Amino acid sequence: EPEVTQTPSHQVTQMGQEVILRCVPISNHLYFYWYRQILGQKVEFLVSFYNNEISEKSEIFDDQFSVERPDGSNFTLKIRSTKLEDSAMYFCASSLGQGVNTGELFFGEGSRLTVL
Amino acid sequence: KNQVEQSPQSLIILEGKNCTLQCNYTVSPFSNLRWYKQDTGRGPVSLTIMTFSENTKSNGRYTATLDADTKQSSLHITASQLSDSASYICVVIVNNAGNNRKLIWGLGTSLAVNP
Repeated sequence: EPEVTQTPSHQVTQMGQEVILRCVPISNHLYFYWYRQILGQKVEFLVSFYNNEISEKSEIFDDQFSVERPDGSNFTLKIRSTKLEDSAMYFCASSLGQGVNTGELFFGEGSRLTVL
Repeated sequence: KNQVEQSPQSLIILEGKNCTLQCNYTVSPFSNLRWYKQDTGRGPVSLTIMTFSENTKSNGRYTATLDADTKQSSLHITASQLSDSASYICVVIVNNAGNNRKLIWGLGTSLAVNP
């Protein structure tokens, strides 16, 4: 069964360092998303991406964050200068469409980011 | 304000028992509602989707209900198994003007099934 894959599964970094989280969405999906979940808290939307551009972003997704789909396969989230509060589990998701039946999100297993 | 509230926050049951998880929402305009299962440290997995016109839907031992009038949904788990131990998250999808879709996430109910 097709699945969303994410790497790395866990990354530890120093505050102020740049981090790139990678995702390979399901191959025929058209919409891509990044979410994050701080331990014990709700899943939070960061950004959605469609047709090679950001379609929506949340207040969390400030200038420190960027996304890219460099090669038609990978979908990356970059955090330029990490802060302690960026420590969280980051989930990539993809969907075929945005309708009731096509809009089901398929999530990856997550990348746990720890900022020291 | 669009909100999704779930109860209980956590629940412990014995293997083989049934349980019901609740989701109340204040969301408009409502499009559909999904229940996700999230194992510890893993990504959420969709269990079921409920549209406005659906009252009940089953997926194996999981049965979801929706009352659009009272804006409540429930997830009933029958004959629980140890592998049911997870967080169950209610997500309500809003479709704003211009087909702008938003997902409103609940905090989840943490279920522990003990032997």
